[in-house]
Parts: sequence; structure tokens; C-alpha cells
Amino acid sequence: GESVGLHLPTLSVQEGDNSIINCAYSNSASDYFIWYKQESGKGPQFIIDIRSNMDKRQGQRVTVLLNKTVKHLSLQIAATQPGDSAVYFCAVSGTYKYIFGTGTRLKVLA
Amino acid sequence: NAGVTQTPKFQVLKTGQSMTLQCAQDMNHNSMYWYRQDPGMGLRLIYYSASEGTTDKGEVPNGYNVSRLNKREFSLRLESAAPSQTSVYFCARGGPLGELFFGEGSRLTVL
Repeated sequence: GESVGLHLPTLSVQEGDNSIINCAYSNSASDYFIWYKQESGKGPQFIIDIRSNMDKRQGQRVTVLLNKTVKHLSLQIAATQPGDSAVYFCAVSGTYKYIFGTGTRLKVLA
Repeated sequence: NAGVTQTPKFQVLKTGQSMTLQCAQDMNHNSMYWYRQDPGMGLRLIYYSASEGTTDKGEVPNGYNVSRLNKREFSLRLESAAPSQTSVYFCARGGPLGELFFGEGSRLTVL
């Protein structure tokens, strides 16, 4: 069946460093990908998306990279700040609208 | 602000009780969704509504019913709550590109 996995359950980075969060998916037919941020006790917040006809998309301090060959996408956060502390997960288009990963908890160290 | 409001935010039920989770959007979008989020698992789709008057089952529909009352409101009903339905429930609305925008969640405990 379809699956989405993240490589690390927890990622700790120093404030000011860059963060890279990864996601792997199984369905080669997936054509739309979204990254969400979820703070404790809150709902998932849309960060950035990318379609399969692109391999890179940039937003404000965030970049999403898509490698369709190996079915992998990543979220890069530049100059990580304390406010970036949260759980990040990817959503990949699939049978039930989207398949969601379980998330990577990003901890920002002062 | 995702434009999605969920009520209640917290609820405790006893096994066998019924309740309805309410969701309303203020963005006038066609599609609305109900997800549940459990520890160690990704969000799972319970039901969705592609447009007013239509509803469809998602990945985990058993034990739930939904009503798309109008374009703005989409409710989720538990007819006879079970401990396995203890979870955080999120309502979402669709966006213009197919993205999802979520509410703040309803935390349900079934004893």
C-alpha cells in the first residue's frame, strides 16, 4: 500500500543553523506534495507545496526539494529560529486525498 | 488563519455516548474534510465532502457519520463512542490548488 515516511523522529539544530527535514514516499503516481508545521496543541499549518513538474520551490526561509527518481522530498529551513520549533510533516497526494507522514520534531537549541 | 473553526475543543465521553463535532469555514470553499490524528501515526482521513450535498468515506470511516449541512458547515458524529475513538480530530477545508487548511482540533477522550 501507499506509505509516507520521515527519516528522523527528532532533529535538534542550533539557532541560526539550517535545518533539513526529509520525507520518503512510495507511490510514483503522486503528483502534489505539501509540507506542514504543527505546534503543540495546534492544527497543522501549511508551509509550502510543490508539484511533480518541479524539483525545487522556494518560500520565505524555506525551500522544498523533490526527487521523483528516488521518491524523496525535503524541507530546508534557513537560519532556524526558536519559533521554528514544531513537528513538521509532509503530505503526499494519494488514494485518500493525501497520505501524511508521522512527522519530525524540530528542536531549536539556543 | 486557516478560516476553519471547530467546536468543541475538548470533550470527554463515556463508552456508548454520542456526540457531534462541529466545523465551519469562512472561505466559501467547496471541499471539507475530517481527519483524526493518533500518536505515532499520520493524519488519517475519516470522511470528506467534495461539495455541498456530497460526502464520501475516507480511510477510517467506521463508527462515524457526517453531514454537510451547507457549504459552510461539515459535522462529524459519533453515534456510540468507543475508547478506540479517543483521538484528536481535525477539520480541514480545501484550497484553490488542492491544498488543505486545518482547524485547531477537537480533543476527544472516550472512557
